[in-house]
Amino acid sequence: RKEVEQDPGPFNVPEGATVAFNCTYSNSASQSFFWYRQDCRKEPKLLMSVYSSGNEDGRFTAQLNRASQYISLLIRDSKLSDSATYLCVVNADYGGATNKLIFGTGTLLAVQP
Amino acid sequence: NAGVTQTPKFRILKIGQSMTLQCTQDMNHNYMYWYRQDPGMGLKLIYYSVGAGITDKGEVPNGYNVSRSTTEDFPLRLELAAPSQTSVYFCASSGTTGPGHAFFGPGTRLTVL
Repeated sequence: RKEVEQDPGPFNVPEGATVAFNCTYSNSASQSFFWYRQDCRKEPKLLMSVYSSGNEDGRFTAQLNRASQYISLLIRDSKLSDSATYLCVVNADYGGATNKLIFGTGTLLAVQP
Repeated sequence: NAGVTQTPKFRILKIGQSMTLQCTQDMNHNYMYWYRQDPGMGLKLIYYSVGAGITDKGEVPNGYNVSRSTTEDFPLRLELAAPSQTSVYFCASSGTTGPGHAFFGPGTRLTVL
C-alpha cells in the first residue's frame, strides 16, 4: 500500500463548478498535512496546510479526518487558472533529526471554459 | 529575494558521466532538500540537510552525493550517471516552520542516454 494515495484523475470540470479531491495516508504517526499545487512543468508550491479543525482560504477548503486517515481539498467556483496537479503531502515523524515529507502522486484538475 | 535557484535547467548526460546540480537559496533557511520526480510518481527525497555541515540520506540516495558547506548552497553530485537517473530534480528549502512549508526551485530536467 502506498503511504499517500490520491486519485490521479484527470478531473475535467466546467468553470464555476465545485470539485473535491481526496487523499488517504497509511502512517497513523503522521503529524501534519499539506496540499501543494504543481503547474505543468513547474515546481510544486504550497497551497495550504491542513488542520484537524479544517481550514479555509478563499475558495479552497481543506479537511482532515485523523480517525479515517483521510484528507480532502474542496475548490469552489473553479477558475481556468485552477488547472494544475494537486499534491497531497504528509509529514510523519520517523524519529530523526527532521521529519520526512511523503508526497502523493497528485490529482490532475482541468477546468474547462 | 530570488528564493531557491537551480542550475542548469536542462542537461543531457551520457552513461557514466558525472555532473553537479547547483542549488542556492537566499532565505537563510536551515533546511534544504533534494527531490526527484519521475512521471506518474510522487516526489522522492534523495538527501536533506538541517544546516551547514550536516547532511543525511533520504529515501533514494544511491548514486548521489551532497555537501553543505554554507547555509545558502546545497549541490547534488551525480557520479557515474545511469539511465535510471533520468528525472526532474527539485531542490527545496524550509525555515523554522518545518519541512512542510517548503519553497522549491524551478527544477533541473536531466536525461541520461
